[in-house]
Amino acid sequence: GQSLEQPSEVTAVEGAIVQINCTYQTSGFYGLSWYQQHDGGAPTFLSYNALDGLEETGRFSSFLSRSDSYGYLLLQELQMKDSASYFCAVRVSGYSTLTFGKGTMLLVSP
Amino acid sequence: KAGVTQTPRYLIKTRGQQVTLSCSPISGHRSVSWYQQTPGQGLQFLFEYFSETQRNKGNFPGRFSGRQFSNSRSEMNVSTLELGDSALYLCASSLGAGGGALSEQYFGPGTRLTVT
Repeated sequence: GQSLEQPSEVTAVEGAIVQINCTYQTSGFYGLSWYQQHDGGAPTFLSYNALDGLEETGRFSSFLSRSDSYGYLLLQELQMKDSASYFCAVRVSGYSTLTFGKGTMLLVSP
Repeated sequence: KAGVTQTPRYLIKTRGQQVTLSCSPISGHRSVSWYQQTPGQGLQFLFEYFSETQRNKGNFPGRFSGRQFSNSRSEMNVSTLELGDSALYLCASSLGAGGGALSEQYFGPGTRLTVT
């Protein structure tokens, strides 16, 4: 089976930088994705890493190390609107199917 | 381009009843997946369809079924509802159905099902 571990909650202040880690154990691996979900809303795609290294999209960056089965999401210049749950998800087959972690609730305070 | 739409947005049903949820993917997307989200179990995969064929199925009982139509719209059905089926049911569409970036999934707002 597959399992993903990520912290349940992270707190930070506006303007700060926060890193959300994700470790995974899978029987196959096609890539690591990150999603943001505001309370009551739909998960929104943030980033996707299939190869080792850093992907940057504006204030958000995502990193993957396949040899360590580890990735992280880095959020810079935090804003209040970044308060949300963040999910890492892996694709373990040639399908679109995602296996999600339990999610990390990010609380940004003034 | 319009996003993924799901109907209805909210639904209240009684134990033992059945329910059908509908999903319209982003125009041009041929793959549709369904997920169940609950506070205890998180986001769990139900099924994935591509070109009207079920390509993958999660670990859910046979009471959960789905189908995809030729226009890529999809429906899922839950029969003999149980209290534990109360959840947010999310539909996601993607352009492709392989393992690459084209398979990135875009989620709809979900259907909030409450079983009493």
